[in-house]
Amino acid sequence: AQSVAQPEDQVNVAEGNPLTVKCTYSVSGNPYLFWYVQYPNRGLQFLLKYITGDNLVKGSYGFEAEFNKSQTSFHLKKPSALVSDSALYFCAVRDQASGGSYIPTFGRGTSLIVHP
Amino acid sequence: GAGVSQSPSNKVTEKGKDVELRCDPISGHTALYWYRQSLGQGLEFLIYFQGNSAPDKSGLPSDRFSAERTGGSVSTLTIQRTQQEDSAVYLCASSLSWDRGPYEQYFGPGTRLTVT
Repeated sequence: AQSVAQPEDQVNVAEGNPLTVKCTYSVSGNPYLFWYVQYPNRGLQFLLKYITGDNLVKGSYGFEAEFNKSQTSFHLKKPSALVSDSALYFCAVRDQASGGSYIPTFGRGTSLIVHP
Repeated sequence: GAGVSQSPSNKVTEKGKDVELRCDPISGHTALYWYRQSLGQGLEFLIYFQGNSAPDKSGLPSDRFSAERTGGSVSTLTIQRTQQEDSAVYLCASSLSWDRGPYEQYFGPGTRLTVT
């Protein structure tokens, strides 16, 4: 079985400060990991994904995420937050060992609020 | 190119009525997913189509929910005898076939369903 947790419902950060949105996962094999962002009244947009290889993954809009296998985490980061980064962020996982089930599991989402 | 489109964008219906929600995936995307997003909740998986294979209906909450995909393209989600707890945003997503890799999903803007 696969699962993902986003332990924070909301993250507050001041503009210009670094931000981190946390994600932990559980799989029986190795994970495929994804981050998506949802702006108000919009669908989800893909930010980045981890498949294999380098633990630091770079994505859209200056975001990056670090895969940590020992801590089963895939935290989303950005060095300097913008007010326009305020949105709902979703982490998703799919177990590479899940055979024919190609359905990722999504976290509950974390609301990021960047204050001017 | 065009993204995933969904119609209608908003639907208000009376309890007990049937509704149909439509999804037009990105051309060439063989995988199609339906999700439900309720206020304060994450994404709830409903159903998954992959090419001509039998759909994975494991997420449908009751037999009032059904979906079809015609010609491997357009999909319709039907909810019969709607209940107030069906009120939510229904999201459609498409992707390239996961048979060939862990591809990211492209989401439509969603249909907001309100059952009165």
